Amino acid sequence: KAGVTQTPRYLIKTRGQQVTLSCSPISGHRSVSWYQQTPGQGLQFLFEYFSETQRNKGNFPGRFSGRQFSNSRSEMNVSTLELGDSALYLCASSTRTGVNYGYTFGSGTRLTVV
Amino acid sequence: DQQVKQNSPSLSVQEGRISILNCDYTNSMFDYFLWYKKYPAEGPTFLISISSIKDKNEDGRFTVFLNKSAKHLSLHMVPSQPRDPAVYFCAATLNRDDKIIFGKGTRLHILP
Repeated sequence: KAGVTQTPRYLIKTRGQQVTLSCSPISGHRSVSWYQQTPGQGLQFLFEYFSETQRNKGNFPGRFSGRQFSNSRSEMNVSTLELGDSALYLCASSTRTGVNYGYTFGSGTRLTVV
Repeated sequence: DQQVKQNSPSLSVQEGRISILNCDYTNSMFDYFLWYKKYPAEGPTFLISISSIKDKNEDGRFTVFLNKSAKHLSLHMVPSQPRDPAVYFCAATLNRDDKIIFGKGTRLHILP
């Protein structure tokens, strides 16, 4: 069973540019969540999508957006990049059924803004 | 406002001894708690969880204790092994909300 796949693994962008990150969840998982990991802040929740609908949203500015497609694949977009957006962006998928609150994470996309 | 707090950024434990990782939380509505382990350049992997209706859960080398009155949980690993160095994240979910809120993590070092 394939795991959560995130592409690309590494990305370097310039301030002011925009970027799109992709996440393919485990087959059958309909929930996709995005997290930002930075050394000082740990893992911070960005948003969650379930069946193409945003279910939860964290405290990030509107420059951060996402969407989910009918095949459950999700994309995250950051516009007008700032230096502080440099981070590891992690995607996690889950079934969101029963009492299983656990996520399966991908390996992340390392974004560097210069 | 950090709802899940891991106040020790790092912890060093001798190989073979017990590692105890601590976590505090502020929201009494959390109904499920989880621990994740993260190696560099990889996503976090799930270790163990506990429901808010329990005070202890064991799985192999791992035991998680929950003290709801103190809003505190801890992860015990025994014996500590050379493969254990990683960042350990404590996490929690709100009632009827699957969003998982993570602490900032504790980096565990195992001493020979």
